[in-house]
Amino acid sequence: DVVMTQTPVSLSVSLGGQVSISCRSSQSLVHNNGNTYLSWYLQKPGQSPQLLIYKVSNRFSGISDRFSGSGSGTDFTLKISRVEPDDLGVYYCGQGTQYPLTFGSGTKLEIK
Amino acid sequence: EVQLVESGGGLVQPGRSLKLSCLASGFTFSNYGMNWIRQAPGKGLEWVASISSSSSYIYYADTVKGRFTISRDNAKNTLYLQMTSLRSEDTALYYCARQGPGYEDYWGQGVMVTVSS
Repeated sequence: DVVMTQTPVSLSVSLGGQVSISCRSSQSLVHNNGNTYLSWYLQKPGQSPQLLIYKVSNRFSGISDRFSGSGSGTDFTLKISRVEPDDLGVYYCGQGTQYPLTFGSGTKLEIK
Repeated sequence: EVQLVESGGGLVQPGRSLKLSCLASGFTFSNYGMNWIRQAPGKGLEWVASISSSSSYIYYADTVKGRFTISRDNAKNTLYLQMTSLRSEDTALYYCARQGPGYEDYWGQGVMVTVSS
């Protein structure tokens, strides 16, 4: 199984600041078809997860350009710029390259 | 608007069975693969099972294989999860989620399953 390791576990940021979350996979996430199926999700308090980024760097419909994803192979990063109050919650990375599908353990973002 | 509404959860004794449903609307259900993903209280996300659009391909997490069955009725726009031999560790909020290529793009609000005597 592909193990997804997220760091940090939590972080605190001031409004307007920028943060980065790291996600590392135990195996390459490059699929046989050449695509890399690494996604980022945000679970706001009391809500279901929502898709932010898919295939490493593609923003999902309606997602602000303050969110950006990058990386390749086994190392990936989510950056959030100009942090807003609505950004708080738990961020998860997930891989869809192979079954079983797996997720990172989450990074809790708090606003200072 | 894509909507996924889960139902069928509740309190059940260990060893008993429960069947969850997920009613989909706002998209052509028969065109998409679907997932069940769960979240134990205070914990992270755990994938449970996936089913392709025509039910040709089905996958399970090892933790539920042989006990849970995912299925769908495209005529009723409904996804199911039949859970048997339930254990305390199956206690979780169960989400259904629409499957994109390598990601889950829409999630339901979840349905709680509590396994306890």
